[in-house]
Amino acid sequence: GAGVSQSPRYKVAKRGQDVALRCDPISGHVSLFWYQQALGQGPEFLTYFQNEAQLDKSGLPSDRFFAERPEGSVSTLKIQRTQQEDSAVYLCASSPPPYGTFLEDTQYFGPGTRLTVL
Amino acid sequence: SQKIEQNSEALNIQEGKTATLTCNYTNYSPAYLQWYRQDPGRGPVFLLLIRENEKEKRKERLKVTFDTTLKQSLFHITASQPADSATYLCALDLDFSGGYNKLIFGAGTRLAVHP
Repeated sequence: GAGVSQSPRYKVAKRGQDVALRCDPISGHVSLFWYQQALGQGPEFLTYFQNEAQLDKSGLPSDRFFAERPEGSVSTLKIQRTQQEDSAVYLCASSPPPYGTFLEDTQYFGPGTRLTVL
Repeated sequence: SQKIEQNSEALNIQEGKTATLTCNYTNYSPAYLQWYRQDPGRGPVFLLLIRENEKEKRKERLKVTFDTTLKQSLFHITASQPADSATYLCALDLDFSGGYNKLIFGAGTRLAVHP
């Protein structure tokens, strides 16, 4: 079946531009996560949605980062006034319901969007 | 401070040998520990999960151990093949009281299996 998809796969932005990154999770998955992965590092947690509710945004690095999932399926990560330090791969992951009931749930990752800020 | 450490150097081994990757952590008390594989240009793919009360878990040629006293997990690939070449990420599974698992990843170890 279809996995998690992300678009665009590559994005080049000039410093100061706004960007929007899209995630299509696996159909029916309740939980959705965003991660940031710098070169040579592991993914770092940004934010978590359960359906349309954003339950945890503790990893968002600044108020320039904003994420939404208005209908509980597709999610968008928006970065305003991009800076060079925002250059990274942004990964989206989803998990099947009922999340938290089965204590061994794992996450299904998309291919990521590589953002380069010039 | 809280830290997860994986072998920073790439691991080069000969085909057929056993690869052993290490994950050490400090100042965390994870309920679970997960291992993921990541190929260049792709997202991580889940391999194995081990609980804090399990010492060892196996899946085909993969074996994971988890020592909560040493705060260490070892990941073994037996009879390694060139197709096993990838980066392997260790992830601690935290904060389950929130009803979801927040994964904290190590930086990963790059494994290269040579024919």
